[in-house]
Amino acid sequence: GQSLEQPSEVTAVEGAIVQINCTYQTSGFYGLSWYQQHDGGAPTFLSYNALDGLEETGRFSSFLSRSDSYGYLLLQELQMKDSASYFCAVGRDDKIIFGKGTRLHILP
Amino acid sequence: GAVVSQHPSRVICKSGTSVKIECRSLDFQATTMFWYRQFPKQSLMLMATSNEGSKATYEQGVEKDKFLINHASLTLSTLTVTSAHPEDSSFYICSGDLSTGGGTEAFFGQGTRLTVV
Repeated sequence: GQSLEQPSEVTAVEGAIVQINCTYQTSGFYGLSWYQQHDGGAPTFLSYNALDGLEETGRFSSFLSRSDSYGYLLLQELQMKDSASYFCAVGRDDKIIFGKGTRLHILP
Repeated sequence: GAVVSQHPSRVICKSGTSVKIECRSLDFQATTMFWYRQFPKQSLMLMATSNEGSKATYEQGVEKDKFLINHASLTLSTLTVTSAHPEDSSFYICSGDLSTGGGTEAFFGQGTRLTVV
């Protein structure tokens, strides 16, 4: 089987930096992805790590350590529009399995 | 990125009736599409993998006779919720996956909010 663990909620201040962690247990691991979902909307893809290290895409960065079965999403210069749920996901065989999601609250 | 169109975005139906949800890949051919269900403030739960030209693969605990999936072409997959009940009220989302091995980027439809009354 597979499981992903991430915090249920995180609160941060506008303009600050926040890190959302994800640990996983899975077989047949292909990579770790991150998705953003606003209330009432569909998830949108943010980033993907197949290899260890940091991937940077604008204000968002994602990190993976395969040996630790751990990754994180880093959001910099937080904006109010970043208030959403963030899901880590792993690829296994031909499926994508999602974590339970982290609700990010941003304070002005 | 690839575009997936899902229709309808919202539907309200009476208990006992059936509802069909369509998922179309607009600019790529999707031999495989995925159907998820999401309850409020919860994660996306994979229901089934829809395979073009063959039977869908259902996840454990998902009733295949209740959630009928048809993937007759490379651009269209449908999910029919049969004999819907209030507990089937949820957000249903489809996705296409351009990778061959999973775990890269999933392109989601807009989702369908189903309310069974």
